Amino acid sequence: EVQLVESGGGLAQPGGSLRLSCETSGFPFETYAMSWVRQAPGKGLEWLSGISGNGGYISYAASVKGRCTISRDTAKNTLHLEINDLRAEDTAVYFCTKDRLAANVKVVVYYFDYWGRGTLVTVSS
Amino acid sequence: QSVLTQPPSVSGAPGQRVTISCTGSGSNIGAGFDVHWYQQFPGTAPKLLIYDNIYRPPGVPGRFSGSKSGTSASLAITGLQAEDEADYYCQSFDNRLNEGVFGTGTKVTVL
Repeated sequence: EVQLVESGGGLAQPGGSLRLSCETSGFPFETYAMSWVRQAPGKGLEWLSGISGNGGYISYAASVKGRCTISRDTAKNTLHLEINDLRAEDTAVYFCTKDRLAANVKVVVYYFDYWGRGTLVTVSS
Repeated sequence: QSVLTQPPSVSGAPGQRVTISCTGSGSNIGAGFDVHWYQQFPGTAPKLLIYDNIYRPPGVPGRFSGSKSGTSASLAITGLQAEDEADYYCQSFDNRLNEGVFGTGTKVTVL
């Protein structure tokens, strides 16, 4: 059974940093692309960043490029997202997603066949 | 802001057919990238509903169907049921932005 479990959310100060993690199981982690998607309170879904199975290709949304770093630890089957210079508008539930894409190509987004339950990030002083 | 546009809401009586449109452009749907659909209930994670424009994952009821034409796609629910009341999002890829993109989302209400 595929499982994605996010952690690392919580209350953060404006200008601060957070590192989100997503522990995975039930599938060959090194094979599939992974993405982070967020949802602000009462708002729609926003794709943030994706990484290919071997980590060789990475893409970011313009809204977070330069402030976010996605990475994956194959030894621990874990996906990470570091967010710097946090702003109030970063307040959202952050979802870890497994992509159906198994090829290591520049286009790191296909579709998301599994989602974690999400971790809430609140940016406030 | 989202590059894929959906109607904010649609509604229908039980048993009726409703459709949700997803309008993109030449750099995403019109460029040949597939459209996928997700269903989300309040307080829960989205769930894959339709992939590659028309295919249903195992367990998704047959009353859900998808289509794609030109720069747009649609999700249809035929025989609307009370448990279909949820938010629905389309998703694709934009090669000008080099980003995954979601639709603006549509709330389906069963009257």
